[in-house]
Amino acid sequence: QSALTQPPSASGSPGQSVTISCTGSSSDIGSHSYVSWYQQHPGKAPKLMIYDVNKRPSGVPDRFSGSKSGNTASLTVSGLQAEDEADYHCSSYGGSDTFVIFGGGTKLTVL
Amino acid sequence: QLQLQESGPGLVKPSATLSLTCTVSGDSISRGNYYWGWIRQPPGKGLEWIGSIYYSGETYYSPSLKSRVTMSVDTSQNQFSLKVNSVTAADTAVYYCARLGTHYGANSKADYWGQGTLVTVSS
Repeated sequence: QSALTQPPSASGSPGQSVTISCTGSSSDIGSHSYVSWYQQHPGKAPKLMIYDVNKRPSGVPDRFSGSKSGNTASLTVSGLQAEDEADYHCSSYGGSDTFVIFGGGTKLTVL
Repeated sequence: QLQLQESGPGLVKPSATLSLTCTVSGDSISRGNYYWGWIRQPPGKGLEWIGSIYYSGETYYSPSLKSRVTMSVDTSQNQFSLKVNSVTAADTAVYYCARLGTHYGANSKADYWGQGTLVTVSS
C-alpha cells in the first residue's frame, strides 16, 4: 500500500496560521471519514490532536482544526505558538485490505 | 488514567524473532470497547502501523508485514503481544503500543500510547 503524502516541512511565525496537507487516494481519505492527526515532540510518543477528520479530543486547544476535501485532508494550526513546533503525522483508515496508513510526517517550525 | 507500557529486548539478532509485550493498566482489554495496536517508527522516519487486535483475538495486519507478524492477547494479564520473525536491520525502530478506535474504521485513531521502546536489529 502507498503511504499518505505530506510535505516534509512547514513553517510560520507566532500568531500566524499554518495548514498541513495529507494526500491519499479514493481508497482511503477519499472514501472514509477516519482521518487522524498526531503531534510528536522529539523523543516523545505521538499525541492525538484530531480524529474523524475534524474532531478534537478533550484537552486539545481549538487552535487545531481538521478538514477534508476529496482525497486530501488538512490540519490547520491557528495562532501559532512556540510549543506547536513539532512533527505532525496524518493517518487514515484504508479499507479492509490496507486497514491503516500513515503519512511520512511534516516538521512544523515556528519562526 | 489509562497507561500502556511496552517491554521486551532492546537488541535482536538478524533473522531472529522480535517479541514485545504491552501491559495495559487503568482499563480492561476484555471490556471489549477498543482495538489495541502496534505502531513503529524507524529512526528519523515516519510512523508505520503494524497491526491491530481485539480482545477476542481478532487480528488485522499491515499487508507489508503480514507474512512475518503475529499478535496475541492475554486478557488474564491485561496484555497484548507482538512477534516479528526473520528480522533485518530494516526492522530497527521505536515500537509503540496504543489503544485504537472502537470499531473497524476507527483503527486509525490512537488516543493512548505507550512511551515506546527502541528495538535494534544487529549482530
